[in-house]
Amino acid sequence: NAGVTQTPKFQVLKTGQSMTLQCAQDMNHEYMSWYRQDPGMGLRLIHYSVGAGITDQGEVPNGYNVSRSTTEDFPLRLLSAAPSQTSVYFCASTLGSLGGEQYFGPGTRLTVT
Amino acid sequence: AQSVSQHNHHVILSEAASLELGCNYSYGGTVNLFWYVQYPGQHLQLLLKYFSGDPLVKGIKGFEAEFIKSKFSFNLRKPSVQWSDTAEYFCAVNDLFGNEKLTFGTGTRLTIIP
Repeated sequence: NAGVTQTPKFQVLKTGQSMTLQCAQDMNHEYMSWYRQDPGMGLRLIHYSVGAGITDQGEVPNGYNVSRSTTEDFPLRLLSAAPSQTSVYFCASTLGSLGGEQYFGPGTRLTVT
Repeated sequence: AQSVSQHNHHVILSEAASLELGCNYSYGGTVNLFWYVQYPGQHLQLLLKYFSGDPLVKGIKGFEAEFIKSKFSFNLRKPSVQWSDTAEYFCAVNDLFGNEKLTFGTGTRLTIIP
């Protein structure tokens, strides 16, 4: 199993550009989440999904969209990038419950200039 | 809403020293508790977890944590640290009868001096 994969590993965007961060898992986990990690703030939940076709907002959803058309994939879209979205983004999947053991991807380091 | 406090932001220890990292949470109901570790340049991985039963849980690499319900605490310990334990450590909590989402602490950066 590859586990949770994320692409790209690094990305630089200009303010106002849009892009999609990809996340995929091959463990047949129902639950998937997107977090951002910022110094001194730990991990904050952006959006999450409890199954294909079902998504909901987390703690910091503004400026991001998600969709979940399949169990495997959970892309995160930045609609119009802002410098405040400079961060490291982690995708995670969980089996059984949203608050269970999270399996994290390797992360995407995003810089918005 | 649940909150998680990790009061130690940066801890510096010499090899072989004993370690204790604090974690306190706010919710008083039934909780699941986790410690995750992030080694430099790597993604987060599970160190240990507590769901129920024995409040002293053992994880990988010699780490353990004790759940003390009366103190809302889940402190991480290791009797003798190694240079390879240099990493960032995150405590996380979810309340089982709330919205079930995990809440993470702000993390503790651990630096081990050889």
